[in-house]
Amino acid sequence: EPEVTQTPSHQVTQMGQEVILRCVPISNHLYFYWYRQILGQKVEFLVSFYNNEISEKSEIFDDQFSVERPDGSNFTLKIRSTKLEDSAMYFCASSEAGGRGQGQPQHFGDGTRLSIL
Amino acid sequence: GNSVTQMEGPVTLSEEAFLTINCTYTATGYPSLFWYVQYPGEGLQLLLKATKADDKGSNKGFEATYRKETTSFHLEKGSVQVSDSAVYFCALRGSARQLTFGSGTQLTVLP
Repeated sequence: EPEVTQTPSHQVTQMGQEVILRCVPISNHLYFYWYRQILGQKVEFLVSFYNNEISEKSEIFDDQFSVERPDGSNFTLKIRSTKLEDSAMYFCASSEAGGRGQGQPQHFGDGTRLSIL
Repeated sequence: GNSVTQMEGPVTLSEEAFLTINCTYTATGYPSLFWYVQYPGEGLQLLLKATKADDKGSNKGFEATYRKETTSFHLEKGSVQVSDSAVYFCALRGSARQLTFGSGTQLTVLP
């Protein structure tokens, strides 16, 4: 079964440094997402991406965050100047096209654990 | 805005016991509802879904019925196994595509 893959599985970065988290969505999916889960807290939506642009974003997704689909397969999340509070598990997800009422499920990767020192 | 309230954990059961994990939601319109499961060291896997009122989602012996009158989507399984030990997340998708998650319920099944 096709799956979403994320690299690296664990990233350790000094505060203030830039970090790029990488994802390869399922190949025929058209919608891409990033979520994060701070330890002990809920999974929170960050951003969704469709047709090479952001379609929705949360208040968490401020100017230090950006997303990109640099080629036909990768989907990246960049954090420009990391802060201690950015430490979390970051999940990438993708879904097929289809109307919103059709309940297209999102398929998740195994996540990247980001630790900011 | 949308919100999901999930039964607090952790939940510990003996093998073959009956499982219920409560989930209620607040949303405008007609959301789609999902249960995801996270096994240790792995990502979120879709367990089941329901897209309209009175739909029943089912998979691997788990079931949940979309109850609009009580705004609930409780997860049930008649006989749990040790391999069901995981964290279970209730989630909804409203008019936007983003998922809103509950806080997760840790289930441990003892042999």
